[in-house]
Amino acid sequence: EAEVAQSPRYKITEKSQAVAFWCDPISGHATLYWYRQILGQGPELLVQFQDESVVDDSQLPKDRFSAERLKGVDSTLKIQPAELGDSAMYLCASSLDRGNSPLHFGNGTRLTVT
Amino acid sequence: RKEVEQDPGPFNVPEGATVAFNCTYSNSASQSFFWYRQDCRKEPKLLMSVYSSGNEDGRFTAQLNRASQYISLLIRDSKLSDSATYLCVVNRYGANNLFFGTGTRLTVIP
Repeated sequence: EAEVAQSPRYKITEKSQAVAFWCDPISGHATLYWYRQILGQGPELLVQFQDESVVDDSQLPKDRFSAERLKGVDSTLKIQPAELGDSAMYLCASSLDRGNSPLHFGNGTRLTVT
Repeated sequence: RKEVEQDPGPFNVPEGATVAFNCTYSNSASQSFFWYRQDCRKEPKLLMSVYSSGNEDGRFTAQLNRASQYISLLIRDSKLSDSATYLCVVNRYGANNLFFGTGTRLTVIP
């Protein structure tokens, strides 16, 4: 079964440092999502792409977070500078289309900011 | 009011028991519904979509009640391996993305 690939699985960084996460969605999935999940809570959307275009980044803290999907395939999420409150699981997901199709998640990146 | 609300639990049930979770959604224009399962420190995985007429997959039954704006998940003959957090996910018509509940934690006890 095709999978969403994410790396790294774990990342420990000091506050004020830069950190980047990578995601490769299932082939053919036009929609890509980055979610953040804090322990004990549901995933919260950070940014959604349709092909290479951002369709929703209303919850992305743009002063420190950025995301890109230049060729409409894989994507990178960056945090600079990282803050203690950024410690969470960062999940990438993809779907065939927006909203109606279920999401398929990658393994996630667990970020710890010290 | 949140888009999607779930009882966080925890639900502690004995092996073999039947357990049901409800999830309410706030927007009547919502049109797609899913249940996801999430094991501790792992990614969510699709358990089942929820169809208007209700649907069943083995020991799992999902129901949709549009009038009262909730979906439900029924698990029969609970197994130890069913212990996980169950996330309710709702898509709202015209919205670009899916809304997640906070999840209901289930522990099946031997």
